Amino acid sequence: QKEVEQNSGPLSVPEGAIASLNCTYSDRVSQSFFWYRQYSGKSPELIMSIYSNGDKEDGRFTAQLNKASQYVSLLIRDSQPSDSATYLCAVFLYNFNKFYFGSGTKLNVKP
Amino acid sequence: SAVISQKPSRDICQRGTSLTIQCQVDSQVTMMFWYRQQPGQSLTLIATANQGSEATYESGFVIDKFPISRPNLTFSTLTVSNMSPEDSSIYLCSVEGRTNTEAFFGQGTRLTVV
Repeated sequence: QKEVEQNSGPLSVPEGAIASLNCTYSDRVSQSFFWYRQYSGKSPELIMSIYSNGDKEDGRFTAQLNKASQYVSLLIRDSQPSDSATYLCAVFLYNFNKFYFGSGTKLNVKP
Repeated sequence: SAVISQKPSRDICQRGTSLTIQCQVDSQVTMMFWYRQQPGQSLTLIATANQGSEATYESGFVIDKFPISRPNLTFSTLTVSNMSPEDSSIYLCSVEGRTNTEAFFGQGTRLTVV
């Protein structure tokens, strides 16, 4: 079982809609969770981090964490074509002192 | 966030040769990570480099193939040795953030082995 799992997509949404990206993780001791955006040919860029249960909002982005269900999600409101990218979910395992990345979900926002 | 400079950004190399990738950070960091990302795939951790100790390699990666140096807290190199076309990939340097363990990435090195 992979430590971090994501649906590879592609996820297609119309411009202005809400894009919902989901991620599950297997290690219950995971405490730090991250969403990265990666444009084609570029390196990953951190867009959100979340450490406690609940929602965390930053502009058009909202990260949601549910530790009981081992589930973390990213909502993108008012999606724009510039949001089209691959979104990587990552967890940091303190007992192993390293990050685990999901395989990424490709998001297409259609004008 | 840390500013990370990674060089070269891309290279085309002959099989059997070696390439050394450099990673320079604008601040002192304890942990530096080297990843490989093959086309359409996610990130695979090659090794963790800590200053003053040998790098810790992940399963499937060995020091003879991917020697790493970490001479100080702001710099590291990864060498891809005796390259074959299967080594064609993007190699990424990453460092831990100052707080809360975020990971930040260099621009990546796109390696093509012919």
